[in-house]
Amino acid sequence: DAKTTQPPSMDCAEGRAANLPCNHSTISGNEYVYWYRQIHSQGPQYIIHGLKNNETNEMASLIITEDRKSSTLILPHATLRDTAVYYCIVRGGTGANSKLTFGKGITLSVRP
Amino acid sequence: NAGVTQTPKFQVLKTGQSMTLQCAQDMNHEYMSWYRQDPGMGLRLIHYSVGAGITDQGEVPNGYNVSRSTTEDFPLRLLSAAPSQTSVYFCASSAGTSGSPYFGPGTRLTVT
Repeated sequence: DAKTTQPPSMDCAEGRAANLPCNHSTISGNEYVYWYRQIHSQGPQYIIHGLKNNETNEMASLIITEDRKSSTLILPHATLRDTAVYYCIVRGGTGANSKLTFGKGITLSVRP
Repeated sequence: NAGVTQTPKFQVLKTGQSMTLQCAQDMNHEYMSWYRQDPGMGLRLIHYSVGAGITDQGEVPNGYNVSRSTTEDFPLRLLSAAPSQTSVYFCASSAGTSGSPYFGPGTRLTVT
């Protein structure tokens, strides 16, 4: 699986959009971009994933560049409860080795 | 649906003791896996299973055994606990190898 690079931390004001960047310059054609988050010591929570098209769900939007070498997770109206570690993961599409490889993630702090 | 459940939530062992961490899911997911998370680190894959009767090693399998006799259950056995196995353990399941994994709440294990 391709590796990802994320800044260690960022913050944003409550109510504003949080844009979390991720670089995955060695991504291959059949690999998906996944985002998970971990609040305090809870189990990781699935947020969204995509291949090459932009994706949106009730939690967030995922913007993938045309060359697929980077992506941005957007939380449109961040709340204090969005304070967490966010993991950007590149994963092969199918097969027994299609597993998630977690890095250190980015710590998002939402301030009042 | 209860989702992915793990027991116990907390456990303290002495070096050399053995124990089994339990994981169960009620979503009829084929794919299950075990991760460990050490302080300040991302999650690392221990073992995974693509279906009943089939298991394989992940990134850090030494000192752990797994079996998958049913679709629902995927226990993780520590054969002879060591202080280096002090960690938080997460179980995950997904619908097939390319499905988005759902994580359990974790088991916090301390080995003294």
